[in-house]
Amino acid sequence: QVQLQESGPGLVKPSETLSLICAVSGYSISRGPFWGWIRQPPVKGLEWIGTIYHSGSTYYNPSLKSRVTISVDTSKNQFSLKLSSVTAADTAVYYCARAASGSGYYPDAFDIWGQGTMVTVSS
Amino acid sequence: QLVLTQSPSASASLGASVKLTCTLSSGHSSYAIAWHQQQPEKGPRYLMRLNSDGSHSKGDGIPDRFSGSSSGAERYLTISSLQSEDEADYYCQTWGTGIQMFGGGTKLTVL
Repeated sequence: QVQLQESGPGLVKPSETLSLICAVSGYSISRGPFWGWIRQPPVKGLEWIGTIYHSGSTYYNPSLKSRVTISVDTSKNQFSLKLSSVTAADTAVYYCARAASGSGYYPDAFDIWGQGTMVTVSS
Repeated sequence: QLVLTQSPSASASLGASVKLTCTLSSGHSSYAIAWHQQQPEKGPRYLMRLNSDGSHSKGDGIPDRFSGSSSGAERYLTISSLQSEDEADYYCQTWGTGIQMFGGGTKLTVL
């Protein structure tokens, strides 16, 4: 059974960098196809942050692209998210998920989700 | 510009059926989508991938009560024999060449 588990600090100070890890179990991350991060501010909808191919190619939300870095560590079977220069607007539940790929070239539906981790940006 | 539009809310009675709609923006009527369910205080759960021709493939363990269909730029999620645990937020998701996005979500109330 494939499981994804997010981990990282629950509180980050404004202007600092938010760092999260998604540990994958029951499935080799090298099999791909894609792995992504999504967030949900309190009482709001889902927002796609970015997605990475198992070999390292990345796709980012244009509205966040200048601040986001997603990387994959196949040796640890995990991938990570870094979001720099955070503000209160980045307070949200952050989810990691596996993305399928019908084309084999681009990510499509998120078919397995983690439970999410709450990150608050506050001094 | 690729955009997904969902009605903010819907309601239906216990045991009845409900049809939720996700509308693709002009020029994108051939796009496939996915439906996700988010029950209160829980993470999202993948329900199905839905193609423009109405064919769909459901996630593991998704009951037969959940089905999808398509018409033009509209993508539908039909839930039959509504149960109390179906009360949730439902999000549609689509994708382009390296871009992924979600609709605003529909909050379903089971009366």
